[in-house]
Amino acid sequence: AQKITQTQPGMFVQEKEAVTLDCTYDTSDPSYGLFWYKQPSSGEMIFLIYQGSYDQQNATEGRYSLNFQKARKSANLVISASQLGDSAMYFCAMRLTGGGNKLTFGTGTQLKVEL
Amino acid sequence: DAGVTQSPTHLIKTRGQQVTLRCSPKSGHDTVSWYQQALGQGPQFIFQYYEEEERQRGNFPDRFSGHQFPNYSSELNVNALLLGDSALYLCASSLASWGSEQFFGPGTRLTVL
Repeated sequence: AQKITQTQPGMFVQEKEAVTLDCTYDTSDPSYGLFWYKQPSSGEMIFLIYQGSYDQQNATEGRYSLNFQKARKSANLVISASQLGDSAMYFCAMRLTGGGNKLTFGTGTQLKVEL
Repeated sequence: DAGVTQSPTHLIKTRGQQVTLRCSPKSGHDTVSWYQQALGQGPQFIFQYYEEEERQRGNFPDRFSGHQFPNYSSELNVNALLLGDSALYLCASSLASWGSEQFFGPGTRLTVL
């Protein structure tokens, strides 16, 4: 069985600063994908970034980068130059190669960006 | 290009009642997944539909059932509602091929009194 752990219930960051949101995962499958989603108060899950277990380089998408440490089973999200609009819940999720398209989510981190 | 749409936005029911939630996938997508997100939790996978059949199911009781129509839209039905069924229900659509990104709808917030 797979599991995602997000140990930071809430985080604060000042505008224009960088912030790291932690995510660790547990699976015995060698092939999997890791995702980060943003959920504003409106409820919709917005895809941010994806990392495949066999990808050699860390994924980047604009201000988002994923710090993938396979041996430690961690996939931390780094948001650079935080903006007020980044305030939201952030979820880490995993999909196994043999698990169809089912996503397993962590409990999330509430990020608040302050002036 | 319309994204994933869900209806209704909000719903209030009482214990023991039945509810039907609806989802229209993103244009071109043929697979629909349903998730339940309780307050303060991450989404939990309920089931996934492809070619009008349930292909995968999470750890949810038989009170939760679904349907997919020929136009790929989907319904989630919950019978004999319990207080614990109060949650945000999210629909996600994708292509059937593995690795296809899932696009989520805005969700239906169900309150059971």
